[in-house]
Amino acid sequence: AQTVTQSQPEMSVQEAETVTLSCTYDTSENNYYLFWYKQPPSRQMILVIRQEAYKQQNATENRFSVNFQKAAKSFSLKISDSQLGDTAMYFCAFSYTGANSKLTFGKGITLSVRP
Amino acid sequence: DAGVIQSPRHEVTEMGQEVTLRCKPISGHNSLFWYRQTMMRGLELLIYFNNNVPIDDSGMPEDRFSAKMPNASFSTLKIQPSEPRDSAVYFCASSLMRSTDTQYFGPGTRLTVL
Repeated sequence: AQTVTQSQPEMSVQEAETVTLSCTYDTSENNYYLFWYKQPPSRQMILVIRQEAYKQQNATENRFSVNFQKAAKSFSLKISDSQLGDTAMYFCAFSYTGANSKLTFGKGITLSVRP
Repeated sequence: DAGVIQSPRHEVTEMGQEVTLRCKPISGHNSLFWYRQTMMRGLELLIYFNNNVPIDDSGMPEDRFSAKMPNASFSTLKIQPSEPRDSAVYFCASSLMRSTDTQYFGPGTRLTVL
């Protein structure tokens, strides 16, 4: 079974600065999907970004980008120009490509953006 | 679109009582997921449905938990009898076809069992 590891329980960043959240995973498969979800204090889970393993190009969504290192099984999230609204818990997640596959989440990391 | 709707948002009950959580997925989505989130165990998938059919219920903790999806627009998660260790936030999520599609989460139900 696949595992997703987020080894940093919490991080802090100054507003307008850049921060990188780490995630590693373990799988023997070649095709899969990786996700970052954000959970603000409201508890709602919100998709931040998604990466298909077969794509070499790193996904980007506005201020959010990933560094996908397939050989190293690493999937980090970079947040540029951090904003106070980025304060949240961030979850890394993995899914196989099979029809009945399911998401496996990491433990999450709490990010605090300081004014 | 209203997004995924869950009710109630908060539930406080006493040990031994039956609890029913409800979910309305996004219209047109064919997959529905129930998750549980606790500080100790993080986010766990309990069960998921494709086209109203349960596909994987290996995450359901024990027989006290049951889930149904009688139609494409409604699902329930029932706990009977409830225990204090069931206290958690329960999320429902839906996606177009399967888990590799983006999952849209509801606001969650915070359950407290006294």
